[in-house]
Order: sequence, then structure tokens, then C-alpha cells
Amino acid sequence: GAGVSQSPRYKVAKRGQDVALRCDPISGHVSLFWYQQALGQGPEFLTYFQNEAQLDKSGLPSDRFFAERPEGSVSTLKIQRTQQEDSAVYLCASSRTGTSVDEQFFGPGTRLTVL
Amino acid sequence: AQSVTQLGSHVSVSEGALVLLRCNYSSSVPPYLFWYVQYPNQGLQLLLKYTTGATLVKGINGFEAEFKKSETSFHLTKPSAHMSDAAEYFCAVSETNDYKLSFGAGTTVTVRA
Repeated sequence: GAGVSQSPRYKVAKRGQDVALRCDPISGHVSLFWYQQALGQGPEFLTYFQNEAQLDKSGLPSDRFFAERPEGSVSTLKIQRTQQEDSAVYLCASSRTGTSVDEQFFGPGTRLTVL
Repeated sequence: AQSVTQLGSHVSVSEGALVLLRCNYSSSVPPYLFWYVQYPNQGLQLLLKYTTGATLVKGINGFEAEFKKSETSFHLTKPSAHMSDAAEYFCAVSETNDYKLSFGAGTTVTVRA
């Protein structure tokens, strides 16, 4: 595709429900990132994949958050037993390599609202 | 650890006036520096970046930024604002050889006709 796509664009969950957020990176991009953007804040790093390997998950806020990229392309961010504080926009980005000089291309995000 | 401070959460300018968005960073070593723009319901788009070399960096849509090591700043400017510049702007840093971006809180720009 032409850019990074994410689905769904909007998700409303009741507290305690599990959710799954999908990211389709730009074809051929090795690296994939997830960020969380709370209302009125800048994005904060969650996790990083190089191909199918999750090399850094230091930003995941709790063990309720889980991300995978099994075939080195599409990625899913799963949040179990959602809490109100999980309400945020979840951004996915991909880059050709993964070095800091390489541009990260961002998707439009999934806005998660937990009631 | 790095941190990014964007002075002013909202900036309002008249069409045709100078746009100045301020960004200061804290880092133990000179980092790589970025400015991103976010339009409503769209992903972040890279405006420009500084890695090495010339400290004045030109980006898309007429924006430019200057890296000043002595001031630990990377302010974004555009000489003449256009209505289409209304958006949210984020300054970000990364350590050299690190993939993680650390973002500021963002500055929302409105342009008055």
C-alpha cells in the first residue's frame, strides 16, 4: 500500500474487555513501532519490532499489553482487560531499516475509548 | 534520558505572519532532532530532521529549523503562514544509533485570516 494503515480507526470498549488493534506497515519495511498518544500529549514509545523479532518492549505499560508480528509484516497490539487509563490513540509506524536516521512513517492511529 | 520541551501548547498567527515554534531538548550527547506535523485524523508526517552537518535544516512546505547546540534548541520557523499550516506540531529527539523517538507534548497552530 501507499502508506501505513491501521484498523479499526475507532474502538469503544467496556472496561474489562480485550481489544486487538491492527497495523499494516509499508510493504518491505523492516522495522515497526507502536506508540501511545494520550489526549493532549505527544506520542510515547511502546514497542519495536525488527522483522518478526520484538527487540524492545520497554514502553509497554503493563503485562496486559501484548504485541506481535509473526510473519514480519502485519502487527497486532492486544490489550487485555482494558482499563479507563488505556484510552488513547495508538499509533503504528514503520521504517525501511530502523536506524534513527531513517524516517518513521506513521499510520492514522486507532482511537481507543474505554468506558 | 532524553526529554523534549515545547514552549507554548497553542500558537495563533495571522496569515502571512512568521510562524515560530520553540523546542528545547535535554540529552547527554547531541541527539538527532525531528519536527513532525499532524493534521486532524491523519498520521504524523515528517517535516524535517537534523542528524549531522549543516545546522540549518530546510524541510517541506517552507519550514526550516536551526540546531543550536549551545542553547539545546531546535526551533521551527516559517516566514509566512498559510491557512493550510493549521495543525499540531511535534518536536522529537532520538539518541544517535537509537530507534526510539521521544516526543514533546505538541504545539497546536491556528492561522487567522
